[in-house]
Amino acid sequence: AQSVTQLDSQVPVFEEAPVELRCNYSSSVSVYLFWYVQYPNQGLQLLLKYLSGSTLVKGINGFEAEFNKSQTSFHLRKPSVHISDTAEYFCAVSGTYNFNKFYFGSGTKLNVKP
Amino acid sequence: ETGVTQSPTHLIKTRGQQVTLRCSSQSGHNTVSWYQQALGQGPQFIFQYYREEENGRGNFPPRFSGLQFPNYSSELNVNALELDDSALYLCASSYNPVMNTEAFFGQGTRLTVV
Repeated sequence: AQSVTQLDSQVPVFEEAPVELRCNYSSSVSVYLFWYVQYPNQGLQLLLKYLSGSTLVKGINGFEAEFNKSQTSFHLRKPSVHISDTAEYFCAVSGTYNFNKFYFGSGTKLNVKP
Repeated sequence: ETGVTQSPTHLIKTRGQQVTLRCSSQSGHNTVSWYQQALGQGPQFIFQYYREEENGRGNFPPRFSGLQFPNYSSELNVNALELDDSALYLCASSYNPVMNTEAFFGQGTRLTVV
């Protein structure tokens, strides 16, 4: 079984400041890792994913994440946020044998202030 | 816009009733997964259908059932509704459950049980 912990339920940040959203996972099998974004009253949009290879993954809208196997973490970062980044962000895992069956964290609400 | 459409967008049901939610998958996709997202929580995996067969199930009771049609659209049925079933129900479609393909989410159906 897999599980995901997002350590911060809310992260307030000023516009143009850097941000890091933290994600830790637990799994007894190999996993793929994902970050999704959810805007109000919408579904989920994929930001980026780690399947294999380089542990630094770049995604859309200037986001990136680093896979750290020893710390079982997959933290999301952006060097300079915009007001439009205000949304809820979900970290998710899926087993490599059951791709696209996701186990999500509880989410982090990013609130970008002017 | 992802091409995954869900209907209806909102509905209100009374405790004990039955409900059917519908998902039209993206063209070319043969796999549909359903998730329940309670308020303030991350989505939870309900089950997945691949080529009209159930291909994995999360920790949900049997009163949650599904169906996938030859055109790969899908239904989620919930019997004997309980107040705790109030949530946003998301479906996601993908091409194949074991290949490296992205899952696309619909905008969800907001179910309120009163």
